[in-house]
Amino acid sequence: GAVVSQHPSWVICKSGTSVKIECRSLDFQATTMFWYRQFPKQSLMLMATSNEGSKATYEQGVEKDKFLINHASLTLSTLTVTSAHPEDSSFYICSASPVGGYQETQYFGPGTRLLVL
Amino acid sequence: EDQVTQSPEALRLQEGESSSLNCSYTVSGLRGLFWYRQDPGKGPEFLFTLYSAGEEKEKERLKATLTKKESFLHITAPKPEDSATYLCAVLGGATNKLIFGTGTLLAVQP
Repeated sequence: GAVVSQHPSWVICKSGTSVKIECRSLDFQATTMFWYRQFPKQSLMLMATSNEGSKATYEQGVEKDKFLINHASLTLSTLTVTSAHPEDSSFYICSASPVGGYQETQYFGPGTRLLVL
Repeated sequence: EDQVTQSPEALRLQEGESSSLNCSYTVSGLRGLFWYRQDPGKGPEFLFTLYSAGEEKEKERLKATLTKKESFLHITAPKPEDSATYLCAVLGGATNKLIFGTGTLLAVQP
């Protein structure tokens, strides 16, 4: 149980294009989903917290106009990297906390590797 | 300020050689301490949640313990497939934001 999927698993795009990453909780509902970014040999950096039906809360230093987050349902959140540039290349990981389940625990997706050329 | 420190940064063990990983934390109002395993190029895999001092949880060769200042992840008779980065994170105060340590990279040699 508590499986989170991400799509795509990897993506290569040209500079200036936009990329959408989907995060789905497959066997549970999640009121809250989280988006992280991870650089090589570093720990996870929280980018934003996404609540179903409301605007996402972004961490300091994260551009909300560049990283658009939509949490349209209790099982789906999307992250769109707009006008991507090479410095946006990274490993993006989402997580979700089950509604009424194992309290507070976040379950992570497998991650999406983004390479911007 | 909430903080999580993991040690050692890296650990190399022989297969069957038991050891422990440490996670020291400073947080106001601990709501949970979490252990995850992360393989290269993958997202973290949930292992344990601990809520209060004295609590212990076990899963196969892994056992997690918690005190008021730190948590240990004990690995008994490890196998090469236990090689991974082990991440510790805490949740505290009024926030729902996990504070992660930098992880311990474990390598188990056959």
